Amino acid sequence: EVQLVESGGGLVKPGGSLRLSCGASGFTFSNYSMNWVRQAPGKGLEWVSSISSRSSFIHYADSVKGRFALSRDNAKNSVDLQMNNLRAEDTAVYYCARSGSSFPFDYDYYMDVWGKGSTVTVSS
Amino acid sequence: EIVLTQSPGTLSLSPGERATLSCKASQSIRSRDLAWYQQKPGQAPRLLIYAAATRATGIPDRFSGSGSGTDFTLTITRLEPEDFAVYFCQQYGRSPFTFGPGTKVDIK
Repeated sequence: EVQLVESGGGLVKPGGSLRLSCGASGFTFSNYSMNWVRQAPGKGLEWVSSISSRSSFIHYADSVKGRFALSRDNAKNSVDLQMNNLRAEDTAVYYCARSGSSFPFDYDYYMDVWGKGSTVTVSS
Repeated sequence: EIVLTQSPGTLSLSPGERATLSCKASQSIRSRDLAWYQQKPGQAPRLLIYAAATRATGIPDRFSGSGSGTDFTLTITRLEPEDFAVYFCQQYGRSPFTFGPGTKVDIK
């Protein structure tokens, strides 16, 4: 079964840091780009960051650029989102999602497999 | 940044009716770079359509996508009870890979 499981969410104070992890199983992880999408309470979806299968390309939303860093470990089938200098507006459920196309066509960043999400709350 | 606008914000329909959802882009995008998702309360989004018109695996054929340039449409031909949800479009052709604000389809 294809599966993504997020971990690492929690409560953090403004200015603090948190590292989200996403573990993948059931598919050849190294062939797929991966993404993070967040959803603030009662709001819509916001794309956060994407990384290509070989980490050649990493994209960030302007709202997180310079504060968040996305990385992956293809040997461990995992992708991590390091979040620094967190703000109240970063409070959201963070979803890990797989891109729909596999290498070498891994530049299509639509998302066909999603995790259940990890909640991040930034509050003093 | 490509801004996506979805209309209407809410669509109130009865089961069996046809739903037509619009997604407009602030600049032209390739048809291959537009996706649609469905989200129900408390659940992760589910991919319905990618490349504007290609149904994802397991998606019933009552869901169809169309459009090009700046105007795209998701059509649900006969609403089933499980189709009442929020629908989002997303462009993935140019970073940032933006989502629209969503259309809620609720029961009339």
